[in-house]
Amino acid sequence: GAVVSQHPSRVICKSGTSVKIECRSLDFQATTMFWYRQFPKQSLMLMATSNEGSKATYEQGVEKDKFLINHASLTLSTLTVTSAHPEDSSFYICSAPRDRASPLHFGNGTRLTVT
Amino acid sequence: GDSVTQMEGPVTLSEEAFLTINCTYTATGYPSLFWYVQYPGEGLQLLLKATKADDKGSNKGFEATYRKETTSFHLEKGSVQVSDSAVYFCALSDSGGGADGLTFGKGTHLIIQP
Repeated sequence: GAVVSQHPSRVICKSGTSVKIECRSLDFQATTMFWYRQFPKQSLMLMATSNEGSKATYEQGVEKDKFLINHASLTLSTLTVTSAHPEDSSFYICSAPRDRASPLHFGNGTRLTVT
Repeated sequence: GDSVTQMEGPVTLSEEAFLTINCTYTATGYPSLFWYVQYPGEGLQLLLKATKADDKGSNKGFEATYRKETTSFHLEKGSVQVSDSAVYFCALSDSGGGADGLTFGKGTHLIIQP
């Protein structure tokens, strides 16, 4: 079964509002979680690395103030898209490593549509 | 920096055809290599992996061999099914499992026709 749960799976919001996406590790503690954005034609872009108890590390070109990441506990990271615009519409995927030797586990993704 | 290059799609095959999806990489050191699969509307699932040269990863009839001399990790399946239709991502990690993140290829959309 799934070891990383992502919620919601789909969300539609109006332009200017904020949307929060949750990523939970279900049966392990994750000090690190990764947030990806998937563009049309499937290309995956790493947005940021979420670190429990400290600030997230953002990739170059990703706006920190627009994509707020909070890793408040060892099993939960959240991505908040603030003041969403239609160009933020995308598929967002989180992932977490169970440990250093294991492959990354991915959530099922969140389809965000901003109208 | 590290990079992964995989063949562009879509790749369209008939059921029971032989599949090859090419993947080559550039990395310092000795990375671990992965193939992930993404079914429509879902996240990514690990398909197979290899952690050192000449290792062969296999799962669900898919295979890939870590070739250090050609820096390749091509995905193969002898007889594809309609249910194999998905997007396939080749990826590498410098940290064994991916705890420090993965570098992905751009993905290959595979379409299997009955």
